[in-house]
Amino acid sequence: GAGVSQSPRYKVAKRGQDVALRCDPISGHVSLFWYQQALGQGPEFLTYFQNEAQLDKSGLPSDRFFAERPEGSVSTLKIQRTQQEDSAVYLCASSRRDSNEKLFFGSGTQLSVL
Amino acid sequence: AQSVTQPDIHITVSEGASLELRCNYSYGATPYLFWYVQSPGQGLQLLLKYFSGDTLVQGIKGFEAEFKRSQSSFNLRKPSVHWSDAAEYFCAVGAAGGSYIPTFGRGTSLIVHP
Repeated sequence: GAGVSQSPRYKVAKRGQDVALRCDPISGHVSLFWYQQALGQGPEFLTYFQNEAQLDKSGLPSDRFFAERPEGSVSTLKIQRTQQEDSAVYLCASSRRDSNEKLFFGSGTQLSVL
Repeated sequence: AQSVTQPDIHITVSEGASLELRCNYSYGATPYLFWYVQSPGQGLQLLLKYFSGDTLVQGIKGFEAEFKRSQSSFNLRKPSVHWSDAAEYFCAVGAAGGSYIPTFGRGTSLIVHP
């Protein structure tokens, strides 16, 4: 596609609910990143994929967070039993080859947990 | 681990005035350095990057940045600011060589007065 697409654009969840956030990277991009951006803060790294392999998940804040990219293209970030502190914008980015390149970001999914 | 400090949370300038946004990084080896811009409701867009070579880097929209190893800095400059430059600016650092995960600063919000 023309750019990185994320859906939904906004998500409101009740505390304890499970949510799934989708990222469609630019076609052919090898690397895919997930970041969490709290209000007034910079993006914080969550996890990184190269094709279908999850090479780094050190930024996932707890075992309630899970990400997958089974066919090396679309990725899903799943948050189980959401908590209020999970409220943030979740950004997805992709790059052509390895991560030593320009990242193309989506517009993000704004998650609000009530 | 690498880190980035953007000491200014907000910067206010008049349209047509010059601009400098500060960025200091911490990393033990040769860094890769980036500046991204984020307009409201938009994803981050790369302004410029430094990998090696000439320490003065030119980017899009008339921006430039200078890498100063002795000061661990990578400040962003623009000689004449336009109202459309009002946005959030993020400095990021990555590790040179192989895969890396870009680490972002907390951002500087640029306000432009007419």
